[in-house]
Amino acid sequence: EPEVTQTPSHQVTQMGQEVILRCVPISNHLYFYWYRQILGQKVEFLVSFYNNEISEKSEIFDDQFSVERPDGSNFTLKIRSTKLEDSAMYFCASSQREYNEQFFGPGTRLTVL
Amino acid sequence: GEDVEQSLFLSVREGDSSVINCTYTDSSSTYLYWYKQEPGAGLQLLTYIFSNMDMKQDQRLTVLLNKKDKHLSLRIADTQTGDSAIYFCAESPILTGGGNKLTFGTGTQLKVEL
Repeated sequence: EPEVTQTPSHQVTQMGQEVILRCVPISNHLYFYWYRQILGQKVEFLVSFYNNEISEKSEIFDDQFSVERPDGSNFTLKIRSTKLEDSAMYFCASSQREYNEQFFGPGTRLTVL
Repeated sequence: GEDVEQSLFLSVREGDSSVINCTYTDSSSTYLYWYKQEPGAGLQLLTYIFSNMDMKQDQRLTVLLNKKDKHLSLRIADTQTGDSAIYFCAESPILTGGGNKLTFGTGTQLKVEL
């Protein structure tokens, strides 16, 4: 059964460093998403991506964040200069069509020290 | 903006029914979802309902929607220990173009005891 994969499973970084979180969506999916969940809080939408451009982003997704689909398989989230408050679980998701089921990856736990 | 609320914890005995509740605020046409999260795993979609429906049944799962009160519930019949997980309610308004942003509740931790 096809699944969304994410690497790494856990990333530890120093404040101010850049991190790139990687996702491989399901191969025939066209819509891609990033969400995050700070410990003890709700899962929050960050950004959606379709047709090689951002289609919607939340207030959280400021200039420190960027997304990219560098090739036909990967979908990345970059945080340019990490802050302590960026520590969270980051989930990637993809869907085949706009209102189809979103399939989620297992998440990357980001810890900023 | 949209808001989704859930109770945080539910404990049931194996074999009993579980009912997990959720309220939402969006007044537009919307899809409402139930996701399950097991430890160390991603979010697995269990079922969904469109806001013009009252009920949807899928094997052991029954979703009930009270549109007037904006109240959604997930009933799990014959709850098993394997159902122990966090259950998230989520909603997404029907808008055109470019994606389907989900707004999640806090999640309800379901504990199934023998």
